[in-house]
Amino acid sequence: AQSVTQPDIHITVSEGASLELRCNYSYGATPYLFWYVQSPGQGLQLLLKYFSGDTLVQGIKGFEAEFKRSQSSFNLRKPSVHWSDAAEYFCAVGRRTSGTYKYIFGTGTRLKVLA
Amino acid sequence: DSGVTQTPKHLITATGQRVTLRCSPRSGDLSVYWYQQSLDQGLQFLIQYYNGEERAKGNILERFSAQQFPDLHSELNLSSLELGDSALYFCASSVGTLGNNEQFFGPGTRLTVL
Repeated sequence: AQSVTQPDIHITVSEGASLELRCNYSYGATPYLFWYVQSPGQGLQLLLKYFSGDTLVQGIKGFEAEFKRSQSSFNLRKPSVHWSDAAEYFCAVGRRTSGTYKYIFGTGTRLKVLA
Repeated sequence: DSGVTQTPKHLITATGQRVTLRCSPRSGDLSVYWYQQSLDQGLQFLIQYYNGEERAKGNILERFSAQQFPDLHSELNLSSLELGDSALYFCASSVGTLGNNEQFFGPGTRLTVL
C-alpha cells in the first residue's frame, strides 16, 4: 500500500543544534512531496515542496529538504534550530489516483527544543 | 494567516447530534479539502471539492457529508455523532486540483462530542 512514514514520533534537540526529520514514502512513481509545520493550536503551514529538478530544495524559516529517489526519502533539515521551531512536522505525498490527486500525510514528528 | 477561514473555532455537542462546520477558501482558490486530525488516526483526508463538484473521497464516513456552494465556501456536515468523532477538523484550499498545488490550511474547528 502507498504510504508515508515518519519513523520518529518525538525528537528533542538543543537550541542551536542541527536537525534532521526523516520521511520515507512508498509509491511507484516520484510523487509530489511536501513538508508542513503545525504550531500548537494552529493549522498546517507549508515549509517546502519538491516536484522535480534539483533534489535539494529550500524552504521557509531556514529549512531545506533533500529528495533521494534510491532511498524513497525526503528528509527535512535545519542547520541550527531555534526555540520557535518547536512544533509538529508533517511530511506529505501528493499522488494521482482515479484521475485526481490525493494527499497522504505522515503521522508527524513532534519537535521539542531545549533552551 | 493562510487566508482560509473556518467557523466555529470550537464546538461542543452530545452524541447523536448533528453539526455543520464551515470553511471559506482563499480568494481565487477553487478547491476545498476537508481533513480530520485525531490523536489515534493522525491527519486523514476526508473529501475534496473543486468548483462545486466532488472530486475525491478519502476516509469519510457515511454519516459525514460535505458540499461546496456557488460562492465556493464549503460545509462539512457530521451527523449521528459518536465520541470517536471528537477531533480537529481542518479545511484547506488550493488553486486547482493538481498534485503540485499547494494547499493552504485553515486554523481548524475543534469538535468535542460528549
